[in-house]
Amino acid sequence: GAGVSQSPSNKVTEKGKDVELRCDPISGHTALYWYRQSLGQGLEFLIYFQGNSAPDKSGLPSDRFSAERTGGSVSTLTIQRTQQEDSAVYLCASSFNGANVLTFGAGSRLTVL
Amino acid sequence: QKEVEQNSGPLSVPEGAIASLNCTYSDRGSQSFFWYRQYSGKSPELIMSIYSNGDKEDGRFTAQLNKASQYVSLLIRDSQPSDSATYLCAVRRDNAGNMLTFGGGTRLMVKP
Repeated sequence: GAGVSQSPSNKVTEKGKDVELRCDPISGHTALYWYRQSLGQGLEFLIYFQGNSAPDKSGLPSDRFSAERTGGSVSTLTIQRTQQEDSAVYLCASSFNGANVLTFGAGSRLTVL
Repeated sequence: QKEVEQNSGPLSVPEGAIASLNCTYSDRGSQSFFWYRQYSGKSPELIMSIYSNGDKEDGRFTAQLNKASQYVSLLIRDSQPSDSATYLCAVRRDNAGNMLTFGGGTRLMVKP
């Protein structure tokens, strides 16, 4: 597609529920990144994919968080048993072959009640 | 100590003035440096990148890098109200894949 597409744009869920966030990168971009941004804060790195593999999972905050990427394209970030501290905007970015320019999607705002 | 530090601001400057945004980083192995602009409620967009010591100019924007001091800055000349946004400094290590580490951002307010 023309840009990085994320869905849903907004998600309100109850504590303890599982959520899935989806990212569709720019066509042809092999690298895909997930970041999290809490209110008024900077971007916290979560995970990075090169193709379908994840060389760097160091940022995932707990084992409740997982991500996968299939077909070298769409990625899904799953948060199990959500907690209130998971409330944030989850941003996805992609780049061509890991080049320096990251293009961000509009983000998925997650609110855990 | 955070890996990438920025003053959260807000930094308030009058229209037409020079806005100076600063960033320090802790990892001496860092090789690539970026400035992203983020309008409220929007996603970050890249405005400048710099890789070697010195100045790099692009229109009204100048990025400055001093690796010895582990310091990178962004100057915005002739500031406009439309420049009001949060500016995020990002750093990439040479051996950390392509992950960018972001600072907390500086909120800039340009007053007409």
